[in-house]
Amino acid sequence: DARVTQTPRDKVTEMGQEVTMRCQPILGHNTVFWYRQTMMQGLELLAYFRNRAPLDDSGMPKDRFSAEMPDATLATLKIQPSEPRDSAVYFCASGLGHQETQYFGPGTRLLVL
Amino acid sequence: QQPVQSPQAVILREGEDAVINCSSSKALYSVHWYRQKHGEAPVFLMILLKGGEQKGHEKISASFNEKKQQSSLYLTASQLSYSGTYFCGTGPVGSSNTGKLIFGQGTTLQVKP
Repeated sequence: DARVTQTPRDKVTEMGQEVTMRCQPILGHNTVFWYRQTMMQGLELLAYFRNRAPLDDSGMPKDRFSAEMPDATLATLKIQPSEPRDSAVYFCASGLGHQETQYFGPGTRLLVL
Repeated sequence: QQPVQSPQAVILREGEDAVINCSSSKALYSVHWYRQKHGEAPVFLMILLKGGEQKGHEKISASFNEKKQQSSLYLTASQLSYSGTYFCGTGPVGSSNTGKLIFGQGTTLQVKP
């Protein structure tokens, strides 16, 4: 049963610290999405990749967030420095081609104190 | 830009029917529906790509009115397992080759025995 995996599942850190979240997309999927979910804003698209190339990162605060895909099996989302307002659940999703189903990972619950 | 879902919340008894609406201010290429249970990741229900198309998943079906830029999700003879938050994700015209979705705020559905 192929699934998207994310690590860590939970992260508590202090303001100013660097946070790195990792995602392993389903093998063979060529599109990877990063979302942030909060009660106030709902599910927001931060960035996404097609065949490891970034297509759109307009939803991401550029000064502190960065997203990369070092290889086809790993996507990373970094926050440096982290702030309390970054507290949220971060989801990674992968898909195969455009307009196809997006399969969500279990999410990383981030709390910045 | 974010699609508007209505109602925001609904409470049902088992066996009752419900309709969740999703309305966009932009011309749409596609509408995706997801269900998320508390503390879990969103799970794909169905995708609608053509205007007027209706699809089904168990006793859950959906329609897409391309001209009105609206989609509706129909839950028939609801079961306890249908409880959760339902999201529509809209793919604006021009997004057909990117897979980018914009999600609504969600509709919380609670089914009681």
